[in-house]
Amino acid sequence: SQQGEEDPQALSIQEGENATMNCSYKTSINNLQWYRQNSGRGLVHLILIRSNEREKHSGRLRVTLDTSKKSSSLLITASRAADTASYFCAYEGNFGNEKLTFGTGTRLTIIP
Amino acid sequence: NAGVTQTPKFQVLKTGQSMTLQCAQDMNHEYMSWYRQDPGMGLRLIHYSVGAGITDQGEVPNGYNVSRSTTEDFPLRLLSAAPSQTSVYFCASRHRDRGTYEQYFGPGTRLTVT
Repeated sequence: SQQGEEDPQALSIQEGENATMNCSYKTSINNLQWYRQNSGRGLVHLILIRSNEREKHSGRLRVTLDTSKKSSSLLITASRAADTASYFCAYEGNFGNEKLTFGTGTRLTIIP
Repeated sequence: NAGVTQTPKFQVLKTGQSMTLQCAQDMNHEYMSWYRQDPGMGLRLIHYSVGAGITDQGEVPNGYNVSRSTTEDFPLRLLSAAPSQTSVYFCASRHRDRGTYEQYFGPGTRLTVT
């Protein structure tokens, strides 16, 4: 399977702390994206990083990409209770078929 | 815009029954896809379409059919339901060739096959 893997599978931190989750993948990619899923809901797109980019910021989110290691990380700074959710990486391989392959997800719990 | 809508929200089927999960989007997106989500597995691609009249298989297509007669609609048909198809199903859509690539997801259909 080409499915991406994420670690940790679950993460609990105190409100105000930073949360870091990691994603590894197995193929060459065009881009890598991060999505958030609140319990019982659909996924919401957070941020996209292209294969020729190394770092990207959006508000309290910082994404890095290391194509030589086939890995990415998502950092959420100054966490809030509302950040409690599952986070998934998803990458588009450069096979020309536009398919998006998802990782297995990290369940983040912010303790107030 | 309503975005991506899915019906029904919940469904219980008996083994061997067939049904169609509906998906519609009002954003004029060319690309639509169906995923299933199982515990600990993330999302796995079932089928996808890059435009009306064009469909292709994803990672786990067996037991499912799709068609794309219009840009807006992308129904998923279960031909003969099996307990292994118990899952949460998500439909998603996005533009092609716009440089954005982000997918918009529906709220999901929770399917139980007994």
